Amino acid sequence: GQQLNQSPQSMFIQEGEDVSMNCTSSSIFNTWLWYKQDPGEGPVLLIALYKAGELTSNGRLTAQFGITRKDSFLNISASIPSDVGIYFCAGMVGNTGKLIFGQGTTLQVKP
Amino acid sequence: DGGITQSPKYLFRKEGQNVTLSCEQNLNHDAMYWYRQDPGQGLRLIYYSQIVNDFQKGDIAEGYSVSREKKESFPLTVTSAQKNPTAFYLCASSMGRLAGAGLYNEQFFGPGTRLTVL
Repeated sequence: GQQLNQSPQSMFIQEGEDVSMNCTSSSIFNTWLWYKQDPGEGPVLLIALYKAGELTSNGRLTAQFGITRKDSFLNISASIPSDVGIYFCAGMVGNTGKLIFGQGTTLQVKP
Repeated sequence: DGGITQSPKYLFRKEGQNVTLSCEQNLNHDAMYWYRQDPGQGLRLIYYSQIVNDFQKGDIAEGYSVSREKKESFPLTVTSAQKNPTAFYLCASSMGRLAGAGLYNEQFFGPGTRLTVL
């Protein structure tokens, strides 16, 4: 079946540092979504990408849809303590309505 | 306020009992979804519904059942046939196919229900 590999699995960084995480797929996706989940809460949508090569920003967050359509990355610039949480990528093949989720990247920020 | 509500936040049940988790949305979304999340893992799709009175099995539907009698509601029943029901359950919704390819794919999540079976 389709799988998403998300890396790194966890990160522990100093406040103010930049962060980068990525997802790769064995299948071609036409949609990449990035979510953030706080402990015990539902994921919140951060960025949605729909075209190969697309680069989209949301404040300090920037995400790109890979040219091959099999990968995506998320960058966070100048991290702050409230960036702590689990970041998930999710992809969709065609318009099936079914999202496939990565395993998540746990981010911890040291003040 | 528009959004997705799930109740209760925490739920405890004895082994062998069926339990129903509530999910309501007032976003006027056509599509709704149920996911299961286990510690340290991503989200796995249980069931989804793209329109009222219709639903499809996801990747891990065994031991679960759903209904979609109203656009706003998509309750999930965890039956006694589910061998390992203790988990965090998340409901989501999206605008659906008619909204166009982009908006169709953006799913919005509720706050989740943590189910513990004793």
